[in-house]
Amino acid sequence: EAGVAQSPRYKIIEKRQSVAFWCNPISGHATLYWYQQILGQGPKLLIQFQNNGVVDDSQLPKDRFSAERLKGVDSTLKIQPAKLEDSAVYLCASSSGSTKETQYFGPGTRLLVL
Amino acid sequence: GQQLNQSPQSMFIQEGEDVSMNCTSSSIFNTWLWYKQDPGEGPVLLIALYKAGELTSNGRLTAQFGITRKDSFLNISASIPSDVGIYFCAGQLRAGGTSYGKLTFGQGTILTVHP
Repeated sequence: EAGVAQSPRYKIIEKRQSVAFWCNPISGHATLYWYQQILGQGPKLLIQFQNNGVVDDSQLPKDRFSAERLKGVDSTLKIQPAKLEDSAVYLCASSSGSTKETQYFGPGTRLLVL
Repeated sequence: GQQLNQSPQSMFIQEGEDVSMNCTSSSIFNTWLWYKQDPGEGPVLLIALYKAGELTSNGRLTAQFGITRKDSFLNISASIPSDVGIYFCAGQLRAGGTSYGKLTFGQGTILTVHP
């Protein structure tokens, strides 16, 4: 079974530029999560999708971050414009939605904002 | 918001030694999870705990869900070099509403094992 795929793996941009990350969850997984992991910290949930609907985006900085999962499969996370403090690893995870669901994480996209 | 305090922040041990780390929360969770993260990779689930007081083992790993539902510990016995990595605890609320499925992570414990 293929795992969660993310691209790109690395991205370096200048502040005020825009950037987009892509995630392909495990086939059949209804729930998709985007996490932000700042160096030295644990991951922090940004947004959770159930199929193509948003379940929780309470910690998403909506003035600059946006995410979509139009067909309930792949998802993109966008930052526009980027700030220095956005430098982090952006992790995508997916789960099946069963009772004791396990979240499977992708390898992450490492973003450096200069 | 909810916060998890994980300790110790880092550990340097000799191969063969046992390791213990713990996690405490200011609020209750009904699921506790322990993950390991290797450099350049996402976290991988090691153990999941679903009931207060539950003690679960997975090979050399043992974890317990505290009776108060506000804490958990992870033990690793007879450590080996491949145990090196960052270990995270995570609490989860399995209930209705927007918190369902959301994981709250600790700050991580960096484990170094000297051969």
